[in-house]
Amino acid sequence: KNEVEQSPQNLTAQEGEFITINCSYSVGISALHWLQQHPGGGIVSLFMLSSGKKKHGRLIATINIQEKHSSLHITASHPRDSAVYICAADPNRDDKIIFGKGTRLHILP
Amino acid sequence: NAGVMQNPRHLVRRRGQEARLRCSPMKGHSHVYWYRQLPEEGLKFMVYLQKENIIDESGMPKERFSAEFPKEGPSILRIQQVVRGDSAAYFCASSLRTGPGYTFGSGTRLTVV
Repeated sequence: KNEVEQSPQNLTAQEGEFITINCSYSVGISALHWLQQHPGGGIVSLFMLSSGKKKHGRLIATINIQEKHSSLHITASHPRDSAVYICAADPNRDDKIIFGKGTRLHILP
Repeated sequence: NAGVMQNPRHLVRRRGQEARLRCSPMKGHSHVYWYRQLPEEGLKFMVYLQKENIIDESGMPKERFSAEFPKEGPSILRIQQVVRGDSAAYFCASSLRTGPGYTFGSGTRLTVV
């Protein structure tokens, strides 16, 4: 079993829909990252969370430390949000972060 | 603050050649991580370096791959005698470790022909 699990793997939605991507992890963490990768593109760090909730524009990330679960929400989704969204756990040790396999999001116009 | 700089963005090599990928961390960051993303797969850890030290190379293939992070200059990921299976995107990230988290570079896309 992967230490970081994301769901769904693929998601297609209509423009304007509210999007939720989930991430569950089994390791102790000092932080959890949400990353965005456009096709053929680099990786952009969206959020780094250690507790609670963060908001940036139409993006919201939440984390529940007790349940070892995080969600990324996109409100009023737009075709330009189409990308792979990756959850990454930063463990409680001086070590490398652990990536989920990503959620491929496709927003239809 | 230019962020994490990787170059080249795209690299084409023939089988058997050497590939050198460079990563300049963010100013003040002394921890560098290399990750590989194979086509249609997630990111996989390769190596974690601090200045002049390899801290963890558990994700590096045992042969042909090496990494360094010298006192001066960028971190280098070196792949000798490349094969088609080395074709991938290679990402570098840096961190301060004592402060906020990772910053990623834009990656180097290696194509072996």
